[in-house]
Amino acid sequence: GAGVSQSPSNKVTEKGKDVELRCDPISGHTALYWYRQSLGQGLEFLIYFQGNSAPDKSGLPSDRFSAERTGGSVSTLTIQRTQQEDSAVYLCASSLSSGGAYEQFFGPGTRLTVL
Amino acid sequence: RKEVEQDPGPFNVPEGATVAFNCTYSNSASQSFFWYRQDCRKEPKLLMSVYSSGNEDGRFTAQLNRASQYISLLIRDSKLSDSATYLCVVMGDTDKLIFGTGTRLQVFP
Repeated sequence: GAGVSQSPSNKVTEKGKDVELRCDPISGHTALYWYRQSLGQGLEFLIYFQGNSAPDKSGLPSDRFSAERTGGSVSTLTIQRTQQEDSAVYLCASSLSSGGAYEQFFGPGTRLTVL
Repeated sequence: RKEVEQDPGPFNVPEGATVAFNCTYSNSASQSFFWYRQDCRKEPKLLMSVYSSGNEDGRFTAQLNRASQYISLLIRDSKLSDSATYLCVVMGDTDKLIFGTGTRLQVFP
């Protein structure tokens, strides 16, 4: 079946512009996660949605970052007034439910470059 | 101190060799443990979960030592296709994954 998809696959933007990154999770998966991976760095948790619960935003690095998940499915990560340090690969993952018993499946990522 | 620490490597080993990776984690409340594999410029994929009793999947064996907060991965009979970065991953009392920076393995003919 279809895996997690993300769009765009690559995004180049100028410093100060806003960007929107999209994630389509696996159908039926109630948990959705956003991570980012900077060059030479490990994956860093950003935000987590589980069903209709309030999202866990504890990993968002600044108030320029926000995310929403509409209808319990598609999610959009928005970065306002992008900075060069925002350049990274943004990865989305989904799982059937929350908790360690449920594998998180990752999408291919969006490579963001801020000039 | 990082929450999950790994030796970045690279580990360069010949085909057929046995290689072991270690990882330590700082949060004693961590509940679940995993090894993920990430190929160059690809997304991470789950290799195996790690259980307290230790578990094996073919050539791969994972061990967990809760007392020492230490996780290991052993790869026997290395194949060229095992070349990748291996990520040690911990899930705490929330459901977010905490990743180590990864250990790079290069298997040569």
